[in-house]
Amino acid sequence: AQSVAQPEDQVNVAEGNPLTVKCTYSVSGNPYLFWYVQYPNRGLQFLLKYITGDNLVKGSYGFEAEFNKSQTSFHLKKPSALVSDSALYFCAVRDGSGAGSYQLTFGKGTKLSVIP
Amino acid sequence: DTAVSQTPKYLVTQMGNDKSIKCEQNLGHDTMYWYKQDSKKFLKIMFSYNNKELIINETVPNRFSPKSPDKAHLNLHINSLELGDSAVYFCASSQTFTSTDTQYFGPGTRLTVL
Repeated sequence: AQSVAQPEDQVNVAEGNPLTVKCTYSVSGNPYLFWYVQYPNRGLQFLLKYITGDNLVKGSYGFEAEFNKSQTSFHLKKPSALVSDSALYFCAVRDGSGAGSYQLTFGKGTKLSVIP
Repeated sequence: DTAVSQTPKYLVTQMGNDKSIKCEQNLGHDTMYWYKQDSKKFLKIMFSYNNKELIINETVPNRFSPKSPDKAHLNLHINSLELGDSAVYFCASSQTFTSTDTQYFGPGTRLTVL
């Protein structure tokens, strides 16, 4: 079975500082990894995904994520946080092996608060 | 030009009632999904349709019945509503059901059962 862990319920960072939101995954085949952001009372917005190739993936709003196969991680990063980045962030995984690959499994979310 | 839209945005109803939530996508996608987000923000897939055919049906009470009249629409009908059905329901779509395809989400429908 595939799973995603977001070990931090909340991350606080000062505006202008770099931010990291952590994600680790477990799948039996190749992982396809996604990050989404949810602003209050809004739907999920797609940020970026890793399918194959370069381990550093760049996405929307200046976010990037680094795929690390040996650590089974896909941490979300941004060099300089903005107050407007404050939101709930979800990591998600799909198994590329075909086992349960229709399903996108989400982590429980990490609330990011950027402090002015 | 909303990509994935849902109606209504809010739904407040009494236990035992029957209600429907509608979803439409104008992206030309083949695959659509329903997710449930509980009070702790946990997201779980409920159903998925590909070209109007059901391909995922998770462990969901049979009081929930999805219907896809065409590939641009996936509606969710809920019979005999219970308190535990209170949640935010998200519709999503993707080009196909291929693992690499990105899913795009609607704004959500907040269902409150009293």
